[in-house]
Amino acid sequence: QKEVEQNSGPLSVPEGAIASLNCTYSDRVSQSFFWYRQYSGKSPELIMSIYSNGDKEDGRFTAQLNKASQYVSLLIRDSQPSDSATYLCAVNCNDMRFGAGTRLTVKP
Amino acid sequence: EADIYQTPRYLVIGTGKKITLECSQTMGHDKMYWYQQDPGMELHLIHYSYGVNSTEKGDLSSESTVSRIRTEHFPLTLESARPSHTSQYLCASIGRSSGNTIYFGEGSWLTVV
Repeated sequence: QKEVEQNSGPLSVPEGAIASLNCTYSDRVSQSFFWYRQYSGKSPELIMSIYSNGDKEDGRFTAQLNKASQYVSLLIRDSQPSDSATYLCAVNCNDMRFGAGTRLTVKP
Repeated sequence: EADIYQTPRYLVIGTGKKITLECSQTMGHDKMYWYQQDPGMELHLIHYSYGVNSTEKGDLSSESTVSRIRTEHFPLTLESARPSHTSQYLCASIGRSSGNTIYFGEGSWLTVV
Protein backbone atom coordinates (compact mmCIF):
# COMPACT_ATOMS: atom_id res chain seq x y z
CA GLN A 1 0.00 0.00 0.00
CA LYS A 2 1.30 3.42 -0.92
CA GLU A 3 1.86 5.88 1.89
CA VAL A 4 -0.17 8.59 0.16
CA GLU A 5 -2.98 7.68 -2.21
CA GLN A 6 -5.06 9.97 -4.38
CA ASN A 7 -8.13 9.30 -6.50
CA SER A 8 -6.55 8.40 -9.79
CA GLY A 9 -8.58 10.61 -12.09
CA PRO A 10 -8.53 12.14 -14.52
CA LEU A 11 -11.25 14.40 -13.18
CA SER A 12 -13.25 16.61 -15.49
CA VAL A 13 -15.68 19.31 -14.30
CA PRO A 14 -17.50 22.10 -16.10
CA GLU A 15 -16.51 25.69 -15.51
CA GLY A 16 -18.15 27.08 -12.38
CA ALA A 17 -18.59 23.67 -10.73
CA ILE A 18 -16.96 22.38 -7.55
CA ALA A 19 -13.98 20.10 -8.03
CA SER A 20 -13.30 17.63 -5.22
CA LEU A 21 -9.90 16.01 -4.83
CA ASN A 22 -9.28 13.31 -2.26
CA CYS A 23 -6.24 11.86 -0.53
CA THR A 24 -5.65 9.20 2.10
CA TYR A 25 -2.44 8.51 4.00
CA SER A 26 -1.20 5.52 5.92
CA ASP A 27 1.01 6.94 8.69
CA ARG A 28 -1.10 7.95 11.69
CA VAL A 29 1.60 10.20 13.16
CA SER A 30 1.62 12.50 10.14
CA GLN A 31 1.30 16.11 11.25
CA SER A 32 1.46 18.34 8.18
CA PHE A 33 -0.57 18.11 5.01
CA PHE A 34 -0.22 20.01 1.78
CA TRP A 35 -1.81 20.43 -1.62
CA TYR A 36 0.37 21.35 -4.58
CA ARG A 37 -0.68 22.31 -8.08
CA GLN A 38 1.48 21.36 -11.04
CA TYR A 39 0.89 22.73 -14.51
CA SER A 40 2.20 20.69 -17.41
CA GLY A 41 5.94 21.17 -17.80
CA LYS A 42 6.24 23.19 -14.59
CA SER A 43 7.32 22.39 -11.04
CA PRO A 44 4.79 21.91 -8.23
CA GLU A 45 3.64 25.02 -6.39
CA LEU A 46 2.05 25.14 -2.95
CA ILE A 47 -1.67 25.90 -2.79
CA MET A 48 -2.65 25.05 0.76
CA SER A 49 -1.26 23.63 3.95
CA ILE A 50 -3.35 22.26 6.81
CA TYR A 51 -2.24 21.00 10.20
CA SER A 52 -5.37 20.49 12.34
CA ASN A 53 -8.69 18.73 11.86
CA GLY A 54 -11.41 20.65 10.11
CA ASP A 55 -11.61 23.02 7.20
CA LYS A 56 -9.23 25.70 6.03
CA GLU A 57 -10.37 28.16 3.40
CA ASP A 58 -8.30 30.34 1.10
CA GLY A 59 -10.25 32.08 -1.62
CA ARG A 60 -11.86 29.47 -3.85
CA PHE A 61 -9.88 26.66 -2.22
CA THR A 62 -10.88 24.71 0.90
CA ALA A 63 -8.72 22.01 2.45
CA GLN A 64 -10.36 19.51 4.76
CA LEU A 65 -8.50 17.26 7.19
CA ASN A 66 -9.79 14.29 9.17
CA LYS A 67 -6.93 12.67 11.07
CA ALA A 68 -9.14 9.92 12.53
CA SER A 69 -10.00 8.78 9.01
CA GLN A 70 -6.51 9.63 7.69
CA TYR A 71 -8.13 11.66 4.97
CA VAL A 72 -7.42 15.05 3.44
CA SER A 73 -9.31 16.70 0.61
CA LEU A 74 -9.23 19.82 -1.52
CA LEU A 75 -12.35 21.54 -2.81
CA ILE A 76 -12.13 24.09 -5.60
CA ARG A 77 -15.23 26.23 -5.88
CA ASP A 78 -16.24 28.06 -9.04
CA SER A 79 -13.69 26.06 -11.03
CA GLN A 80 -11.96 27.93 -13.83
CA PRO A 81 -10.19 26.59 -16.94
CA SER A 82 -6.97 27.98 -15.40
CA ASP A 83 -7.40 25.46 -12.57
CA SER A 84 -6.71 22.66 -15.07
CA ALA A 85 -3.57 21.01 -13.72
CA THR A 86 -2.35 18.02 -11.75
CA TYR A 87 -2.95 18.31 -7.99
CA LEU A 88 -0.51 16.60 -5.65
CA CYS A 89 -1.29 15.67 -2.08
CA ALA A 90 1.73 15.69 0.25
CA VAL A 91 2.07 14.43 3.80
CA ASN A 92 4.93 15.25 6.13
CA CYS A 93 5.83 12.61 8.69
CA ASN A 94 9.56 12.77 9.37
CA ASP A 95 9.80 13.26 5.65
CA MET A 96 7.65 14.51 2.79
CA ARG A 97 5.65 11.95 0.83
CA PHE A 98 3.70 12.74 -2.32
CA GLY A 99 0.72 11.08 -3.90
CA ALA A 100 0.74 10.22 -7.59
CA GLY A 101 -1.45 13.23 -8.37
CA THR A 102 -4.92 13.76 -9.80
CA ARG A 103 -5.24 15.43 -13.16
CA LEU A 104 -8.07 17.97 -13.23
CA THR A 105 -9.58 19.42 -16.39
CA VAL A 106 -12.06 22.29 -16.16
CA LYS A 107 -14.08 22.57 -19.36
CA PRO A 108 -15.32 26.00 -20.49
CA GLU B 1 8.51 33.04 -2.92
CA ALA B 2 11.00 30.20 -2.72
CA ASP B 3 14.68 30.93 -3.28
CA ILE B 4 15.76 27.68 -4.85
CA TYR B 5 17.54 27.66 -8.18
CA GLN B 6 18.37 25.00 -10.71
CA THR B 7 20.74 25.11 -13.64
CA PRO B 8 20.67 24.30 -16.45
CA ARG B 9 16.95 24.57 -17.13
CA TYR B 10 17.20 22.69 -20.41
CA LEU B 11 20.01 20.50 -21.68
CA VAL B 12 20.52 18.16 -24.63
CA ILE B 13 23.60 15.98 -24.41
CA GLY B 14 25.02 12.93 -26.14
CA THR B 15 25.10 9.41 -24.75
CA GLY B 16 28.08 8.73 -22.52
CA LYS B 17 28.63 12.34 -21.48
CA LYS B 18 29.02 13.38 -17.85
CA ILE B 19 26.55 15.95 -16.61
CA THR B 20 26.03 17.79 -13.33
CA LEU B 21 22.72 19.44 -12.51
CA GLU B 22 23.12 22.27 -10.05
CA CYS B 23 20.74 23.16 -7.24
CA SER B 24 21.15 25.99 -4.76
CA GLN B 25 18.90 27.44 -2.08
CA THR B 26 19.37 30.56 -0.02
CA MET B 27 16.87 29.75 2.72
CA GLY B 28 19.28 27.87 4.97
CA HIS B 29 17.23 24.69 4.66
CA ASP B 30 18.81 21.53 6.04
CA LYS B 31 16.81 19.02 4.00
CA MET B 32 17.19 18.89 0.24
CA TYR B 33 15.79 16.47 -2.33
CA TRP B 34 16.09 15.42 -5.94
CA TYR B 35 13.03 14.08 -7.72
CA GLN B 36 12.76 12.61 -11.19
CA GLN B 37 9.52 13.11 -13.07
CA ASP B 38 8.58 12.00 -16.57
CA PRO B 39 5.86 14.06 -18.33
CA GLY B 40 2.43 13.30 -16.88
CA MET B 41 3.83 10.87 -14.35
CA GLU B 42 4.34 10.95 -10.61
CA LEU B 43 7.32 12.30 -8.70
CA HIS B 44 10.02 9.79 -7.84
CA LEU B 45 12.48 10.54 -5.05
CA ILE B 46 16.00 9.65 -6.18
CA HIS B 47 18.24 11.32 -3.57
CA TYR B 48 17.95 13.32 -0.39
CA SER B 49 20.12 14.98 2.22
CA TYR B 50 19.45 16.02 5.78
CA GLY B 51 22.45 18.28 6.01
CA VAL B 52 26.11 18.76 5.15
CA ASN B 53 27.91 15.47 4.42
CA SER B 54 24.59 13.58 4.58
CA THR B 55 23.28 11.92 1.41
CA GLU B 56 20.86 9.04 0.94
CA LYS B 57 19.32 7.18 -1.97
CA GLY B 58 15.60 7.57 -2.46
CA ASP B 59 12.83 5.21 -3.43
CA LEU B 60 13.75 5.02 -7.11
CA SER B 61 17.11 3.54 -7.93
CA SER B 62 19.16 5.94 -9.94
CA GLU B 63 22.54 5.85 -11.62
CA SER B 64 23.16 9.39 -10.47
CA THR B 65 25.15 10.54 -7.45
CA VAL B 66 24.85 13.59 -5.22
CA SER B 67 27.03 15.53 -2.79
CA ARG B 68 26.34 17.99 0.02
CA ILE B 69 29.48 19.86 0.89
CA ARG B 70 27.67 23.11 1.68
CA THR B 71 24.20 23.62 3.14
CA GLU B 72 23.01 25.67 0.20
CA HIS B 73 24.29 23.45 -2.59
CA PHE B 74 23.11 19.97 -3.65
CA PRO B 75 24.39 18.99 -7.11
CA LEU B 76 23.35 15.82 -8.94
CA THR B 77 25.80 14.08 -11.29
CA LEU B 78 25.34 11.52 -14.04
CA GLU B 79 28.73 10.00 -14.86
CA SER B 80 27.61 8.53 -18.19
CA ALA B 81 24.29 9.73 -19.55
CA ARG B 82 21.96 7.34 -21.39
CA PRO B 83 18.72 7.96 -23.30
CA SER B 84 16.84 6.35 -20.37
CA HIS B 85 17.97 9.34 -18.25
CA THR B 86 15.86 11.68 -20.36
CA SER B 87 13.47 13.27 -17.87
CA GLN B 88 12.73 16.29 -15.74
CA TYR B 89 14.77 16.59 -12.55
CA LEU B 90 13.31 18.63 -9.71
CA CYS B 91 15.29 19.89 -6.74
CA ALA B 92 13.46 20.77 -3.53
CA SER B 93 14.22 21.86 0.01
CA ILE B 94 12.47 22.08 3.32
CA GLY B 95 13.30 23.65 6.62
CA ARG B 96 12.02 25.29 9.77
CA SER B 97 12.12 28.70 8.14
CA SER B 98 9.51 27.50 5.62
CA GLY B 99 7.20 25.97 8.21
CA ASN B 100 7.98 22.45 7.06
CA THR B 101 6.72 23.30 3.59
CA ILE B 102 8.68 21.84 0.70
CA TYR B 103 9.65 24.25 -2.06
CA PHE B 104 10.69 23.24 -5.55
CA GLY B 105 13.10 24.69 -8.04
CA GLU B 106 11.91 25.27 -11.59
CA GLY B 107 13.32 21.96 -12.77
CA SER B 108 15.99 20.80 -15.19
CA TRP B 109 14.83 19.15 -18.40
CA LEU B 110 17.45 16.67 -19.60
CA THR B 111 17.41 15.04 -23.02
CA VAL B 112 20.03 12.43 -23.83
CA VAL B 113 20.40 11.64 -27.52
